Amino acid sequence: KAGVTQTPRYLIKTRGQQVTLSCSPISGHRSVSWYQQTPGQGLQFLFEYFSETQRNKGNFPGRFSGRQFSNSRSEMNVSTLELGDSALYLCASSPTGQFNQPQHFGDGTRLSIL
Amino acid sequence: GDSVTQMEGPVTLSEEAFLTINCTYTATGYPSLFWYVQYPGEGLQLLLKATKADDKGSNKGFEATYRKETTSFHLEKGSVQVSDSAVYFCALAGSGGSNYKLTFGKGTLLTVNP
Repeated sequence: KAGVTQTPRYLIKTRGQQVTLSCSPISGHRSVSWYQQTPGQGLQFLFEYFSETQRNKGNFPGRFSGRQFSNSRSEMNVSTLELGDSALYLCASSPTGQFNQPQHFGDGTRLSIL
Repeated sequence: GDSVTQMEGPVTLSEEAFLTINCTYTATGYPSLFWYVQYPGEGLQLLLKATKADDKGSNKGFEATYRKETTSFHLEKGSVQVSDSAVYFCALAGSGGSNYKLTFGKGTLLTVNP
């Protein structure tokens, strides 16, 4: 069974630009979550989607947005990039997102802002 | 809100030494608890989980027991190997109805020397 696939693996952008990251969950998984990982803040929850609906959102500015498609694939978008947005962005999937289901992570997209 | 506190690293051990990484949590209700491991340049891999009090999760020689009375989920391994060198994260998933997210500790870097 293929794992969670994130594309691209690496991105370099400049301040003020916008970026879109993509995530394909494990086949059959309908819940997709996004996390930001930085050395200073650690792993922080961005948002979670299930059946194309956002069910939970972390404490991030409105520049961070996401969506989920009918095939459960998900994208996240960051607009007006800032230096502080440099991070590893991780996507995770689970069958339905219930608290007793482990989340399965992709290898992440490393975003660097110049 | 939910929170996870894990022992600060880095932890450096010799091969075949005993490993303990402490993890305590704060959450309402009965959360599920997880340990994840991250190798350099990769995403998070689920190491083990426990979904109710007194459950013991185990995998690859690692163990952790869900202690409700002490709100703890300490990770242990009897004999570490060089290949265990990685960053270890303790995490919880709250049982609240609209939670759908993982809350992580800061991570503990483990280095095992031959």
